[in-house]
Amino acid sequence: GDSVTQMEGPVTLSEEAFLTINCTYTATGYPSLFWYVQYPGEGLQLLLKATKADDKGSNKGFEATYRKETTSFHLEKGSVQVSDSAVYFCALSAPQYSGGGADGLTFGKGTHLIIQP
Amino acid sequence: DTAVSQTPKYLVTQMGNDKSIKCEQNLGHDTMYWYKQDSKKFLKIMFSYNNKELIINETVPNRFSPKSPDKAHLNLHINSLELGDSAVYFCASSQGARGQFFGPGTRLTVL
Repeated sequence: GDSVTQMEGPVTLSEEAFLTINCTYTATGYPSLFWYVQYPGEGLQLLLKATKADDKGSNKGFEATYRKETTSFHLEKGSVQVSDSAVYFCALSAPQYSGGGADGLTFGKGTHLIIQP
Repeated sequence: DTAVSQTPKYLVTQMGNDKSIKCEQNLGHDTMYWYKQDSKKFLKIMFSYNNKELIINETVPNRFSPKSPDKAHLNLHINSLELGDSAVYFCASSQGARGQFFGPGTRLTVL
């Protein structure tokens, strides 16, 4: 079945450091790929997405590029802030029914990011 | 303007009880979902509803039953609660391939 593997944390960085969180996936067909962020005590927020190969998703300084050849969707940010401290989830959505349109997300286990001042 | 809302936010109950969690979305989306997040933060889909039809039913116990009175609501009923049901339950909704939007979660604790 489909699966998502992401680096496990916690990942601890200093403010203004460069961030990379690795994510690779296994899926049949051509999935859509997502990054979600979960701040303490809150629900998941969609951070960015990409729906086809070579697409780059970006939001709030974060970027990720859909690499079909390496089945990867690594999250990057050039200069992190303390406010970026959260748990980050990589996820994929692949059609499970011929009718399409109702795709559950398959999540990675999440990466806890801690940014120190 | 809350997009996806859930009630209650916290639910503490005894083993064997029956409980419900409510979810409402005001985004006009066609599909709604329930996810379970365990103590290690791992998220797994439980159900989805598209136009009031159950589309995905993962291998969850039949003590869990989703009920959708209309397109904007998807409630989760749990019968005969067990200790292992303790988790955070998230409702979500989506329209097409735009990504899913999640509610704030309901933390269920079974004593």
